[in-house]
Amino acid sequence: GAVVSQHPSWVICKSGTSVKIECRSLDFQATTMFWYRQFPKQSLMLMATSNEGSKATYEQGVEKDKFLINHASLTLSTLTVTSAHPEDSSFYICSARVLRDSRGSGANVLTFGAGSRLTVL
Amino acid sequence: EDKVVQSPLSLVVHEGDTVTLNCSYEVTNFRSLLWYKQEKKAPTFLFMLTSSGIEKKSGRLSSILDKKELFSILNITATQTGDSAVYLCALYNTNAGKSTFGDGTTLTVKP
Repeated sequence: GAVVSQHPSWVICKSGTSVKIECRSLDFQATTMFWYRQFPKQSLMLMATSNEGSKATYEQGVEKDKFLINHASLTLSTLTVTSAHPEDSSFYICSARVLRDSRGSGANVLTFGAGSRLTVL
Repeated sequence: EDKVVQSPLSLVVHEGDTVTLNCSYEVTNFRSLLWYKQEKKAPTFLFMLTSSGIEKKSGRLSSILDKKELFSILNITATQTGDSAVYLCALYNTNAGKSTFGDGTTLTVKP
């Protein structure tokens, strides 16, 4: 089945530094990937839609200059949290839409990476 | 704006009990409703529902959609401790090309 690999799974950094999180589709091509943020005991909040070869589409209230998204190939999207602050500490999850699924469920099913827990000191 | 409301927000049951999780929604361009299970880390796919009245089943889990009343339910029979997780309901909006998630139901199954 479709697998999305996300790295790193956890990272601790100092305030003011930048952190890059990678999301790779291992056995399929993903023209679109999604980046979510999840606070404890809360649901997934969509941050942005990452489109291969073009600019990401950000959700309202998400700072483009703070959360840089690059989707340079059909199998890799990256999220860079720039000048991180303690309030950026969160669980970040990427996902990709599976274009073809053996169960026939098609393009609507999201396959998620394992998530990256960011702690900013 | 699309909206997904799940209830209850949390539920504690004992092994062997049957539970019903609810998901109601508002969407401008419905394509599908999906259920995911989230344990420690990333959500995993359970069901995708596109048509009313057709039950999807997988082992002890089943789900059904009512497009007229705009809701879906997820049933789990003979619950086990391994069913403890957050169950997320999500709507896929065709025009927007993205999914909206509910707040989830946290299910705890006690031995």
